Amino acid sequence: KNEVEQSPQNLTAQEGEFITINCSYSVGISALHWLQQHPGGGIVSLFMLSSGKKKHGRLIATINIQEKHSSLHITASHPRDSAVYICAVIPWGNEKLTFGTGTRLTIIP
Amino acid sequence: GAGVSQSPSNKVTEKGKDVELRCDPISGHTALYWYRQRLGQGLEFLIYFQGNSAPDKSGLPSDRFSAERTGGSVSTLTIQRTQQEDSAVYLCASSSATGFDEQYFGPGTRLTVT
Repeated sequence: KNEVEQSPQNLTAQEGEFITINCSYSVGISALHWLQQHPGGGIVSLFMLSSGKKKHGRLIATINIQEKHSSLHITASHPRDSAVYICAVIPWGNEKLTFGTGTRLTIIP
Repeated sequence: GAGVSQSPSNKVTEKGKDVELRCDPISGHTALYWYRQRLGQGLEFLIYFQGNSAPDKSGLPSDRFSAERTGGSVSTLTIQRTQQEDSAVYLCASSSATGFDEQYFGPGTRLTVT
């Protein structure tokens, strides 16, 4: 079993829909990252959080440390949001990322 | 300002040859990471440099893999006696301090071993 599990693995939605991607992890962590990997392969860091909630534009990330769970939400989704979204954690006592397998999101116009 | 750059962007090599992949981190970033992404798979951690500390090599898959970081800046990942299973995209990232900071990724080097 992976230390970091994401769901769903694949998600297809219509433009404008509200999107939720989930991440569960099994180890104690000091921080969690959400990354976006574009179809061309480039990776962009979206959020790093260790508690609560962060918002950037149409993206919202939440984390519940007690439940070892994080969610990434996209409001008013757009085809340009189509990408792979990757959850990664920094386990306690460590400074390197452990990655989930990613969620492939496709937004249809 | 300039982001993380990597070279070459693509490398095709014959099985058994050695390859060197280069990463130029963002100026002033003390932390540098190498990751690997095989086709259709997730990211794997390879090695982590932080300032002048000894690197964390725990992710290197075999002793054919090694990495250096000279002068706290540029890093080179070397793969000796390449095998077909080494074919992957090799990604470099840097951050301003530790793994607790946002990481900035380079565009990657796509390595194909024939």
